[in-house]
Amino acid sequence: KAGVTQTPRYLIKTRGQQVTLSCSPISGHRSVSWYQQTPGQGLQFLFEYFSETQRNKGNFPGRFSGRQFSNSRSEMNVSTLELGDSALYLCASSLTGPNYGYTFGSGTRLTVV
Amino acid sequence: KNQVEQSPQSLIILEGKNCTLQCNYTVSPFSNLRWYKQDTGRGPVSLTIMTFSENTKSNGRYTATLDADTKQSSLHITASQLSDSASYICVVSALPPDYKLSFGAGTTVTVRA
Repeated sequence: KAGVTQTPRYLIKTRGQQVTLSCSPISGHRSVSWYQQTPGQGLQFLFEYFSETQRNKGNFPGRFSGRQFSNSRSEMNVSTLELGDSALYLCASSLTGPNYGYTFGSGTRLTVV
Repeated sequence: KNQVEQSPQSLIILEGKNCTLQCNYTVSPFSNLRWYKQDTGRGPVSLTIMTFSENTKSNGRYTATLDADTKQSSLHITASQLSDSASYICVVSALPPDYKLSFGAGTTVTVRA
Protein backbone atom coordinates (compact mmCIF):
# COMPACT_ATOMS: atom_id res chain seq x y z
CA LYS A 1 0.00 0.00 0.00
CA ALA A 2 1.14 3.58 -0.58
CA GLY A 3 3.08 5.21 2.23
CA VAL A 4 2.89 8.70 3.63
CA THR A 5 3.37 11.25 0.88
CA GLN A 6 4.74 14.70 1.54
CA THR A 7 4.94 17.45 -1.02
CA PRO A 8 6.96 19.24 -2.06
CA ARG A 9 10.24 17.48 -1.26
CA TYR A 10 12.28 20.66 -1.36
CA LEU A 11 11.35 24.29 -0.97
CA ILE A 12 13.31 27.54 -0.90
CA LYS A 13 11.59 30.62 0.47
CA THR A 14 12.59 34.14 1.41
CA ARG A 15 12.31 35.59 4.91
CA GLY A 16 8.86 37.05 5.53
CA GLN A 17 7.11 34.80 3.05
CA GLN A 18 4.66 32.10 3.99
CA VAL A 19 4.66 28.45 3.00
CA THR A 20 2.23 25.54 2.90
CA LEU A 21 3.33 21.94 3.14
CA SER A 22 1.14 18.96 2.34
CA CYS A 23 0.89 15.47 3.80
CA SER A 24 -1.22 12.61 2.47
CA PRO A 25 -1.48 9.84 5.07
CA ILE A 26 -1.68 6.11 4.49
CA SER A 27 -5.16 5.18 3.34
CA GLY A 28 -7.42 4.65 6.35
CA HIS A 29 -5.19 6.53 8.78
CA ARG A 30 -7.00 9.32 10.57
CA SER A 31 -4.20 10.76 12.69
CA VAL A 32 -1.54 13.01 11.21
CA SER A 33 1.30 14.48 13.26
CA TRP A 34 3.80 17.09 12.16
CA TYR A 35 7.40 17.42 13.33
CA GLN A 36 10.26 19.83 12.75
CA GLN A 37 13.75 18.40 12.58
CA THR A 38 16.88 20.52 12.79
CA PRO A 39 20.48 19.40 13.39
CA GLY A 40 20.63 21.21 16.72
CA GLN A 41 17.19 20.37 18.14
CA GLY A 42 16.39 16.95 16.73
CA LEU A 43 12.74 16.08 16.19
CA GLN A 44 10.27 18.53 17.72
CA PHE A 45 6.54 17.92 17.85
CA LEU A 46 4.43 20.59 16.14
CA PHE A 47 0.84 19.31 16.30
CA GLU A 48 -1.41 16.35 15.74
CA TYR A 49 -4.72 16.20 13.92
CA PHE A 50 -7.35 13.52 14.21
CA SER A 51 -10.60 13.58 12.27
CA GLU A 52 -10.09 17.20 11.21
CA THR A 53 -9.51 18.39 14.80
CA GLN A 54 -6.24 19.48 16.34
CA ARG A 55 -5.82 17.10 19.25
CA ASN A 56 -2.38 18.08 20.51
CA LYS A 57 0.00 20.98 20.02
CA GLY A 58 3.68 21.45 20.69
CA ASN A 59 5.49 24.58 21.84
CA PHE A 60 5.77 26.48 18.59
CA PRO A 61 4.69 30.06 17.90
CA GLY A 62 1.36 30.85 16.31
CA ARG A 63 3.10 31.34 12.95
CA PHE A 64 2.91 27.57 12.66
CA SER A 65 -0.56 26.30 11.93
CA GLY A 66 -2.18 23.32 10.35
CA ARG A 67 -5.40 21.74 9.31
CA GLN A 68 -6.78 18.41 8.28
CA PHE A 69 -9.34 17.73 5.61
CA SER A 70 -12.18 15.23 5.57
CA ASN A 71 -10.03 12.81 3.54
CA SER A 72 -7.40 12.98 6.32
CA ARG A 73 -4.91 14.86 4.17
CA SER A 74 -3.20 17.54 6.19
CA GLU A 75 -1.50 20.82 5.47
CA MET A 76 0.92 22.79 7.56
CA ASN A 77 1.38 26.52 7.11
CA VAL A 78 4.20 28.73 8.32
CA SER A 79 3.73 32.48 8.01
CA THR A 80 6.33 35.24 8.18
CA LEU A 81 9.19 32.85 7.64
CA GLU A 82 12.39 33.29 9.63
CA LEU A 83 15.84 31.92 8.89
CA GLY A 84 15.48 29.60 11.87
CA ASP A 85 12.52 27.90 10.25
CA SER A 86 14.88 26.15 7.86
CA ALA A 87 14.44 22.47 8.67
CA LEU A 88 13.19 19.11 7.55
CA TYR A 89 9.45 18.94 8.20
CA LEU A 90 8.13 15.45 8.71
CA CYS A 91 4.63 14.17 9.00
CA ALA A 92 3.59 10.80 10.37
CA SER A 93 0.27 9.08 9.98
CA SER A 94 -1.42 6.61 12.25
CA LEU A 95 -4.70 4.76 12.42
CA THR A 96 -5.77 6.27 15.73
CA GLY A 97 -2.86 8.16 17.26
CA PRO A 98 0.94 8.37 17.42
CA ASN A 99 1.10 6.05 20.42
CA TYR A 100 0.17 3.21 18.12
CA GLY A 101 1.59 2.20 14.78
CA TYR A 102 2.71 5.26 12.84
CA THR A 103 4.71 5.80 9.66
CA PHE A 104 6.77 8.80 8.67
CA GLY A 105 6.86 10.45 5.29
CA SER A 106 10.13 11.39 3.58
CA GLY A 107 9.77 14.99 4.66
CA THR A 108 9.88 18.43 3.08
CA ARG A 109 13.23 20.21 3.24
CA LEU A 110 12.51 23.91 3.73
CA THR A 111 15.29 26.43 3.29
CA VAL A 112 14.65 30.05 4.22
CA VAL A 113 17.07 32.57 2.73
CA LYS B 1 14.54 18.53 30.11
CA ASN B 2 14.39 15.88 27.42
CA GLN B 3 12.73 12.71 28.63
CA VAL B 4 14.76 10.54 26.25
CA GLU B 5 18.56 10.59 26.31
CA GLN B 6 20.67 8.76 23.75
CA SER B 7 24.35 7.93 23.80
CA PRO B 8 26.79 8.19 22.27
CA GLN B 9 26.00 11.24 20.15
CA SER B 10 28.00 9.74 17.31
CA LEU B 11 30.29 6.85 16.61
CA ILE B 12 32.48 5.51 13.83
CA ILE B 13 32.93 1.79 13.29
CA LEU B 14 34.64 -0.39 10.73
CA GLU B 15 32.57 -2.46 8.36
CA GLY B 16 31.86 -5.88 9.80
CA LYS B 17 32.15 -4.77 13.42
CA ASN B 18 29.35 -4.65 15.99
CA CYS B 19 28.14 -1.66 17.96
CA THR B 20 25.58 -0.84 20.65
CA LEU B 21 23.56 2.33 21.05
CA GLN B 22 21.94 3.37 24.31
CA CYS B 23 18.63 5.01 25.15
CA ASN B 24 17.54 6.06 28.66
CA TYR B 25 14.09 7.49 29.26
CA THR B 26 11.94 8.93 32.00
CA VAL B 27 8.62 8.94 30.11
CA SER B 28 5.80 7.73 32.33
CA PRO B 29 3.45 5.97 32.18
CA PHE B 30 5.32 4.00 29.55
CA SER B 31 3.52 2.60 26.52
CA ASN B 32 6.15 1.54 24.02
CA LEU B 33 9.63 2.28 22.70
CA ARG B 34 10.67 2.36 19.08
CA TRP B 35 14.01 2.53 17.36
CA TYR B 36 14.14 4.31 14.03
CA LYS B 37 16.80 4.51 11.35
CA GLN B 38 16.99 7.77 9.45
CA ASP B 39 19.12 8.24 6.38
CA THR B 40 20.26 11.79 5.65
CA GLY B 41 17.42 13.90 4.27
CA ARG B 42 14.87 11.10 4.55
CA GLY B 43 12.10 10.27 6.98
CA PRO B 44 12.73 7.86 9.87
CA VAL B 45 12.01 4.19 9.20
CA SER B 46 10.93 1.92 12.03
CA LEU B 47 13.32 -0.85 13.07
CA THR B 48 11.72 -2.26 16.20
CA ILE B 49 8.92 -1.59 18.64
CA MET B 50 8.75 -2.94 22.18
CA THR B 51 6.08 -2.76 24.81
CA PHE B 52 6.47 -3.06 28.57
CA SER B 53 6.52 -6.85 28.61
CA GLU B 54 9.07 -7.34 25.84
CA ASN B 55 12.79 -7.65 26.58
CA THR B 56 14.23 -8.25 23.14
CA LYS B 57 13.16 -7.65 19.57
CA SER B 58 15.17 -8.39 16.45
CA ASN B 59 14.97 -7.13 12.89
CA GLY B 60 17.68 -8.75 10.82
CA ARG B 61 21.04 -7.54 12.08
CA TYR B 62 19.36 -5.11 14.48
CA THR B 63 18.52 -6.29 18.00
CA ALA B 64 16.82 -4.04 20.52
CA THR B 65 16.58 -4.71 24.24
CA LEU B 66 14.38 -3.10 26.85
CA ASP B 67 14.66 -3.00 30.62
CA ALA B 68 11.45 -1.33 31.75
CA ASP B 69 12.56 -1.40 35.38
CA THR B 70 15.66 0.71 34.80
CA LYS B 71 14.05 2.52 31.83
CA GLN B 72 16.89 1.66 29.50
CA SER B 73 17.00 0.34 25.97
CA SER B 74 19.80 -0.57 23.63
CA LEU B 75 20.10 -1.19 19.92
CA HIS B 76 22.78 -3.62 18.83
CA ILE B 77 23.97 -3.67 15.23
CA THR B 78 25.71 -6.89 14.23
CA ALA B 79 28.24 -7.20 11.41
CA SER B 80 27.80 -3.60 10.33
CA GLN B 81 27.52 -2.67 6.67
CA LEU B 82 28.16 0.61 4.89
CA SER B 83 24.40 1.00 4.49
CA ASP B 84 24.03 1.12 8.28
CA SER B 85 25.49 4.62 8.21
CA ALA B 86 22.57 6.72 9.44
CA SER B 87 21.06 8.39 12.46
CA TYR B 88 19.31 6.09 14.94
CA ILE B 89 16.52 7.63 16.96
CA CYS B 90 14.86 6.29 20.08
CA VAL B 91 11.20 7.27 20.46
CA VAL B 92 9.15 6.64 23.58
CA SER B 93 5.36 6.79 23.81
CA ALA B 94 3.34 7.41 26.92
CA LEU B 95 -0.01 5.80 27.58
CA PRO B 96 -3.13 7.67 26.42
CA PRO B 97 -4.50 10.25 26.76
CA ASP B 98 -1.02 11.74 26.18
CA TYR B 99 -0.56 11.38 22.45
CA LYS B 100 2.79 13.11 22.26
CA LEU B 101 5.93 11.18 21.50
CA SER B 102 9.27 11.82 23.20
CA PHE B 103 12.27 11.73 20.88
CA GLY B 104 15.90 11.18 21.60
CA ALA B 105 18.41 13.41 19.83
CA GLY B 106 19.71 10.40 17.92
CA THR B 107 23.04 8.65 17.50
CA THR B 108 24.86 9.16 14.22
CA VAL B 109 26.58 5.98 13.10
CA THR B 110 29.26 6.07 10.42
CA VAL B 111 30.46 2.77 9.03
CA ARG B 112 33.81 2.87 7.23
CA ALA B 113 35.23 0.32 4.84
